[in-house]
Amino acid sequence: DAEITQSPRHKITETGRQVTLACHQTWNHNNMFWYRQDLGHGLRLIHYSYGVQDTNKGEVSDGYSVSRSNTEDLPLTLESAASSQTSVYFCASSAQTEDNSPLHFGNGTRLTVT
Amino acid sequence: QKEVEQDPGPLSVPEGAIVSLNCTYSNSAFQYFMWYRQYSRKGPELLMYTYSSGNKEDGRFTAQVDKSSKYISLFIRDSQPSDSATYLCAMTPMNTGFQKLVFGTGTRLLVSP
Repeated sequence: DAEITQSPRHKITETGRQVTLACHQTWNHNNMFWYRQDLGHGLRLIHYSYGVQDTNKGEVSDGYSVSRSNTEDLPLTLESAASSQTSVYFCASSAQTEDNSPLHFGNGTRLTVT
Repeated sequence: QKEVEQDPGPLSVPEGAIVSLNCTYSNSAFQYFMWYRQYSRKGPELLMYTYSSGNKEDGRFTAQVDKSSKYISLFIRDSQPSDSATYLCAMTPMNTGFQKLVFGTGTRLLVSP
């Protein structure tokens, strides 16, 4: 079965370190998204990509970057981790840009910045 | 004020009860409305998807949209302990893709046996 896998599931890092969260999907979807989920804020879009070499900023992109070198992967990099980036991060993918194509989510990475 | 408001709960009900989960929104441009279910330590999964106003039924679940009141609801009939989860509403203007998808904060539902 097709799936979307995030790694690691848990990560503890120190302020100022660079951190990369992995996202790999076997749906062969063109569209991939990174969200963060925080209490009281719901899911907020960080970055998204509609295909190889395409990346776009979302609502809360400051301090984050992504790259898309193939269809399957969209790694999320925190350039210099800050305590405000402690959160649960979800990767998602979808087949089309039209609104009626469902988003498929991974099971998240819980990141703690100390 | 947030674009989408959702009571965080928790909402506790006995097994077999009818559950009503709701969201209000302020952006009249929203046309597509979704409900996601999220179990603890898991990613959200799509439950229901509706376009514009009206009702949509899928088994024990009914999604209702009232655009005139900017109010959407998810009804769960004959609730089961396995329905215990957080329910997220989400909505987007038409034809703009998921980059404009706005999520509610989620309502935690607890169904006791």
